[in-house]
Amino acid sequence: AQKVTQAQTEISVVEKEDVTLDCVYETRDTTYYLFWYKQPPSGELVFLIRRNFFDEQNEISGRYSWNFQKSTSSFNFTITASQVVDSAVYFCALSEAWSGNTPLVFGKGTRLSVIA
Amino acid sequence: DVKVTQSSRYLVKRTGEKVFLECVQDMDHENMFWYRQDPGLGLRLIYFSYDVKMKEKGDIPEGYSVSREKKERFSLILESASTNQTSMYLCASIGGYLYEQYFGPGTRLTVT
Repeated sequence: AQKVTQAQTEISVVEKEDVTLDCVYETRDTTYYLFWYKQPPSGELVFLIRRNFFDEQNEISGRYSWNFQKSTSSFNFTITASQVVDSAVYFCALSEAWSGNTPLVFGKGTRLSVIA
Repeated sequence: DVKVTQSSRYLVKRTGEKVFLECVQDMDHENMFWYRQDPGLGLRLIYFSYDVKMKEKGDIPEGYSVSREKKERFSLILESASTNQTSMYLCASIGGYLYEQYFGPGTRLTVT
C-alpha cells in the first residue's frame, strides 16, 4: 500500500524566513514518482515538481528547492526567503510509475502562512 | 495550456437530489480522475477512468458513480446526495511526457 505523511499540519513564518515542508512516503513499488502541488486560496492545484524514484539529485527552481532521500523515504520542500504569495496549502503526492498514468496518493497537506 | 474545466465552482443541493458534476479536458488525455478534498484529510480518490466507457473505483467510491461516454468528458454522479457529501470535488487528467496531473478549479458542493 502507498502512503504519504505530511506531519506538519500548519506552519507560520515571517516573510523572508526559510521554511521546509516535510514529506515522508511509503510504497512497495520499486518504481514510483513523487510530486509536490501548491493550492493557493483560489483553490486550484498547481503542479510544482515531479521526481523519479531513481533521481536523488536535489532540484532547485528559483526560491524553491527539493531534497529527495530514498534512505529515509523523504521528499522535503524548502522555500527560501519566503514571501506572502507563498501562503497556500502544499501537498506531497506519490504514484507508482510502471505506466505513468496511475492515480496519485496525496498527503493531507501542510498549510503555510507567510506573515508580512 | 492544458485546460481542465469543471461545470460549476459552487453548487448547493438538497438531500436526496441527484447531482451531476461535469469535467472536461481539452488535451486528448486518456486518463481522468475524480478526487474529493476535505479539511485534514487531503485529497482522496473517488473514481478514475483509463478510457472511454472504462471506470475504476478509487478509495472512496461509495455513494458515487461515474460516466465516461466521450474521451474529453468525465462525469461524477451523486445518485442521492447526502450531507456527508458536502465537500470540494476536484477533477484531473494525466498527460504529456511528464505525466503531470492537471487539475480543474474544483467544485465546492454543499448538500443541505
